[in-house]
Order: sequence, then structure tokens, then C-alpha cells
Amino acid sequence: GQQLNQSPQSMFIQEGEDVSMNCTSSSIFNTWLWYKQDPGEGPVLLIALYKAGELTSNGRLTAQFGITRKDSFLNISASIPSDVGIYFCAGRRETSGSRLTFGEGTQLTVNP
Amino acid sequence: DGGITQSPKYLFRKEGQNVTLSCEQNLNHDAMYWYRQDPGQGLRLIYYSQIVNDFQKGDIAEGYSVSREKKESFPLTVTSAQKNPTAFYLCASMAGANYNEQFFGPGTRLTVL
Repeated sequence: GQQLNQSPQSMFIQEGEDVSMNCTSSSIFNTWLWYKQDPGEGPVLLIALYKAGELTSNGRLTAQFGITRKDSFLNISASIPSDVGIYFCAGRRETSGSRLTFGEGTQLTVNP
Repeated sequence: DGGITQSPKYLFRKEGQNVTLSCEQNLNHDAMYWYRQDPGQGLRLIYYSQIVNDFQKGDIAEGYSVSREKKESFPLTVTSAQKNPTAFYLCASMAGANYNEQFFGPGTRLTVL
């Protein structure tokens, strides 16, 4: 199945820095989701986006639904050590029924 | 507490044996999903079910089988036909086909020796 292009694949940052990651596709999506996965655990839903141009925050996390409906962005402000993990984007296309398409993840490392 | 449970957390099997992974949810969700995750990779869909007694193949269904006899349960059998079964398996559920948010269980790590 089609994968979303998620970048960067990995990031190494210092505590307190801001982080940005994104997902892009050649297809149009009508929903974007962002998940975080800790080692050995299942992904946890962080933010859900439903409208083109929508900007939604969850604490220090902010995500945007791209205006073209082909991309989405996640920003983390003032990173802390517990932000370490893998961040996945996921999208739902109108033609895909109840299936989601996942990005390959961004591995975030935060140095104290 | 409402949620999705997967058991066991770790599972070891000998090559050539079939093994069944459990997934149970008490969220009253209609749709359930099985994903496979390999180190450093994203999630690949194995099978999904949008309603009881119905299921569809995902992108990597070969060597796997499922059943959906009850709304709350969606067990996955990894058969001996699966060539590389060692992986992290994740179960997810969603309220229904008209919803968008999938929620995941804690996962089962299967190691085939």
C-alpha cells in the first residue's frame, strides 16, 4: 500500500529546542493524524486534523493540515527528554474506506 | 478502564508452529485492525474488520489468518506459511467506518526461533 513520505527520518536535538517534522503525499487526504510511539509500546494518538488549513494544538505540540490536503506538519516546542520516541503521521483518503496510510516515522532523540 | 489489550506481551515459538495473538477491546468499537512493525519501519496493515463476521486483507496478509466472531475480539494467527514472522504486532480499533481515529493496543513481540 502507499506510504506517506515522512521527514526527517531521525532528529537529534538539545533539550529546549523546537522540532518540526512533516508528511507529504501525492494523494489528497481528508484526515491527518499524528501519533507518538515509545519503545516497545503501541502508538498513542496526539492530534487529529479534519480540515484543510486547520491548526490544532495539544500542549507543546502543534499540528497543521496542509492547505493542499496533501501534507501535514507537526511542531514540538521547548522539547524535554520525555519527548523521545517515534512520531508517526497517518492519513485517511476518501477512497480508502476505514484504512489509514502511515508514514515511516521520525525518531526523535532529545539530549538533556 | 476502557481500552485495547493484547496478550501476551512477549511470545516465543519454534519455527513451523502456528501461533495466535490475542486482541480484545471494550470500547464498543466496530472496526479492528492488525499491523506488523519491523525495526525502524512504519506500520503495515495485515488484516482489518469493519464489522463482526467480516474482514478484509490488508497489504501483507499472506501467511496470516484472522476471525471476528465477537465484536470485542479479533485474534490473529501467524501460520507456518509466514516466512519472516518475527516482528512487533499491533492491534488497533476504531469506533466505526465513519470515524477517523484509530487507537492502539500495547503490542505483542513475537520471536520465532
